[in-house]
Amino acid sequence: AQSVAQPEDQVNVAEGNPLTVKCTYSVSGNPYLFWYVQYPNRGLQFLLKYITGDNLVKGSYGFEAEFNKSQTSFHLKKPSALVSDSALYFCAVRDESGAGSYQLTFGKGTKLSVIP
Amino acid sequence: GAVVSQHPSRVICKSGTSVKIECRSLDFQATTMFWYRQFPKKSLMLMATSNEGSKATYEQGVEKDKFLINHASLTLSTLTVTSAHPEDSSFYICSADSGKGAYEQYFGPGTRLTVT
Repeated sequence: AQSVAQPEDQVNVAEGNPLTVKCTYSVSGNPYLFWYVQYPNRGLQFLLKYITGDNLVKGSYGFEAEFNKSQTSFHLKKPSALVSDSALYFCAVRDESGAGSYQLTFGKGTKLSVIP
Repeated sequence: GAVVSQHPSRVICKSGTSVKIECRSLDFQATTMFWYRQFPKKSLMLMATSNEGSKATYEQGVEKDKFLINHASLTLSTLTVTSAHPEDSSFYICSADSGKGAYEQYFGPGTRLTVT
């Protein structure tokens, strides 16, 4: 079974500072990894994904994430946080060996608050 | 591209009645759609996976007779909450997978259901 852990319920960062939202995963096969962002009372917006290739993945709104196979991590990062980045962030994984199943497993989410 | 809509965005119904939520892929054909339920400050819980033209696959613990899912076309899936009770009040989110190797799912904006 696949699983995702987001160890922090909340991350607070000052505007202009770098931010990191942590994610670790567990799958039996090769992982497909995703980050989504959710604003209040809204659906999820896709930020970025790792399927294969370079370990550093760049996505929307200046976000990037680094795939680390040995540490089974896929932390989300941004060099300079904006107040508008304040939202709920979800890490998700799909097992490439899932026999055709496209199911995503989500972490519990991390609330990011960027302080002006 | 890859826009998913949901209707209604918000619905209030009386206990014992049924309510239908629509999920549409606006600019692509969705071979697979997913229905999630999100409780306040919680992650997304996958309820069921629906494939166009076939019966939905429900996750363990989800009552198929209560949450009726129909995926009648490649652009429309519906979730009907039958005989709704206050405990069914939640935020319901659908997503769609085009099945063309994009890997990520595209999410609708969600439907807030309140059962009084």
